[in-house]
Amino acid sequence: GAVVSQHPSWVICKSGTSVKIECRSLDFQATTMFWYRQFPKQSLMLMATSNEGSKATYEQGVEKDKFLINHASLTLSTLTVTSAHPEDSSFYICSAEKPGLAVYNEQFFGPGTRLTVL
Amino acid sequence: AQSVAQPEDQVNVAEGNPLTVKCTYSVSGNPYLFWYVQYPNRGLQFLLKYITGDNLVKGSYGFEAEFNKSQTSFHLKKPSALVSDSALYFCAVRPSSNDYKLSFGAGTTVTVRA
Repeated sequence: GAVVSQHPSWVICKSGTSVKIECRSLDFQATTMFWYRQFPKQSLMLMATSNEGSKATYEQGVEKDKFLINHASLTLSTLTVTSAHPEDSSFYICSAEKPGLAVYNEQFFGPGTRLTVL
Repeated sequence: AQSVAQPEDQVNVAEGNPLTVKCTYSVSGNPYLFWYVQYPNRGLQFLLKYITGDNLVKGSYGFEAEFNKSQTSFHLKKPSALVSDSALYFCAVRPSSNDYKLSFGAGTTVTVRA
């Protein structure tokens, strides 16, 4: 199987604080992980691509200093929302790319983290 | 650039009736196409994919989808819907090149009434 976990599953924080979300591939090594953001009843928007051992690649319009991504190992990527504000409240979903022999590497999604900033 | 369109925000069907969720795409080159389902406050669950080969792809939970290159479509179908199929469905595409980014459609909410 290919399981991706996220921690925490939900978090409530005060405005101005920082929040760290972890994404782990439990049974495979992922050189590439992705972070998405989803607003209620909307689609997933790719925020950044996280590569193990190198800097993340951010999508246009995503503030890299606000959404810090670290991919320190082949099984863990973290997203830190710095100085969070109410407009950062959202559902954050990660995915991990599993290397294989197929013509493409399949992405497996985590269960998501609900962030609410008061 | 790649994009995905799901023309219907909502689809409502009666249990036991056929279910179709529409998806059209635009991508350079050959596409890799995917369907995912999302239940409330949960991540995405993979249903099926088209990479190459047979245009009719069978996936999880009795779902299938047909790749139609001339119409650039990849509609999701289930012959007999269940109440438990009520969820949010996403179509996604990426090119078959080394670009690994998935582009998602806006999603279609499926409601199956008993």
